[in-house]
Amino acid sequence: DAGVIQSPRHEVTEMGQEVTLRCKLISGHNSLFWYRQTMMRGLELLIYFNNNVPIDDSGMPEDRFSAKMPNASFSTLKIQPSEPRDSAVYFCASSFKRTGGIETQYFGPGTRLLVL
Amino acid sequence: GDSVTQMEGPVTLSEEAFLTINCTYTATGYPSLFWYVQYPGEGLQLLLKATKADDKGSNKGFEATYRKETTSFHLEKGSVQVSDSAVYFCALSDPERDDKIIFGKGTRLHILP
Repeated sequence: DAGVIQSPRHEVTEMGQEVTLRCKLISGHNSLFWYRQTMMRGLELLIYFNNNVPIDDSGMPEDRFSAKMPNASFSTLKIQPSEPRDSAVYFCASSFKRTGGIETQYFGPGTRLLVL
Repeated sequence: GDSVTQMEGPVTLSEEAFLTINCTYTATGYPSLFWYVQYPGEGLQLLLKATKADDKGSNKGFEATYRKETTSFHLEKGSVQVSDSAVYFCALSDPERDDKIIFGKGTRLHILP
């Protein structure tokens, strides 16, 4: 079975440009999490969705960041305009949410973003 | 709020040494506890978990026991290998509250041949 798929794996862009990161969930999963990882701040949860609905976006740094789930199996994280401090590895993770239970989160390989 | 504290790294050991990575947690409810591992250039993957007090999670020779009295979930392995070199994250979740997993800062482990 294919795991969580993220694209691109690496992105180098210039300050001010729009960046779009993509994530495909594992088939059958209904929860999607976006994380950011840096040396300084470690792993941070940005936003998560259940059944395509954003549940908690309190970790989104500012209005430059937006995330969507246009369908049950796909999500995008957009940064517009990008800044050098956005440089990080961005992970998405998917899981299956059932009543009263926490299922394992399966992480994608990450997108390494460098904003010059 | 809920939180996880784990020992700072890096931890450097020789092959076949005994490993302990300490983890303690703070939670208002009855969380599930996890250890995730991140190998170089990859995403995190679940190593083991325990969902209630006194449960022991185990996988690939690693073990951790959910200790409610000491609010701890220490990771242990009797004989480490070079291939165990990675970053290890202790984490908790409370399904009574929400679906989030709260991660510790991670402990980098280096195993020398």
